[in-house]
Amino acid sequence: QVQLQESGPGLVRPSETLSLTCSVSGGFLTSAGYYWGWIRQPPGKGLEWIGHIYYSESTDYNPSLGGRVTISVDTSKNQFSLKLTSVTATDTAVYFCAGCSSWTPPYYFDHWGQGALVTVSS
Amino acid sequence: DIQMTQSPSSLSASVGDRVTITCRASQSVDKYVNWYQQKPGKAPRLLMYGAVSLHTGVPARFSGSGSGTDFTLTISTLQPEDFATYYCQQSYRIPRTFGQGTRLDIK
Repeated sequence: QVQLQESGPGLVRPSETLSLTCSVSGGFLTSAGYYWGWIRQPPGKGLEWIGHIYYSESTDYNPSLGGRVTISVDTSKNQFSLKLTSVTATDTAVYFCAGCSSWTPPYYFDHWGQGALVTVSS
Repeated sequence: DIQMTQSPSSLSASVGDRVTITCRASQSVDKYVNWYQQKPGKAPRLLMYGAVSLHTGVPARFSGSGSGTDFTLTISTLQPEDFATYYCQQSYRIPRTFGQGTRLDIK
């Protein structure tokens, strides 16, 4: 059973970089899933797809985030990470990491972390 | 971006009711719509993928239909544990986009 767990600072100052890591257990990141991604949810609001990584190096990001996003994989640690630069208060949200175990379309997120609240404030 | 619009935004129903939630895409997404259930303070849970396929372990009272731009999620007989917020998501184009959510609560 693949399990995901987010970790990282819960408070980030405006203009700084938000960094989160997702640790994958119960399977190897390179074989347990095809897509590994990040989704966020501002308090009381809906879900927003941030981006994903596949083939351990190919990435797609949400253009609405203005090129501030980087997702990367560390296969030696069985982890993948999110970096979001130049954060503002509007980046305050619960950040979920998620995985897709399907290797062919349709793609979906069937494994989810519990979520990590990140607050942007000085 | 493909916009996903759910209706209704909120819904009150009783245990035992049949409930249908609709999701409309701003352009065709073929069959590439997923449905998720989210309870307060929890991560979303995959219910349906590819519009009509029931994810492993999801009760058979959940079903999905549709293709192109119009999709539905139906719960045939509401159970107490089904009161939650439901989201559709398209996986046809980047960026992946979610509907705004449908909150289902107890009447």
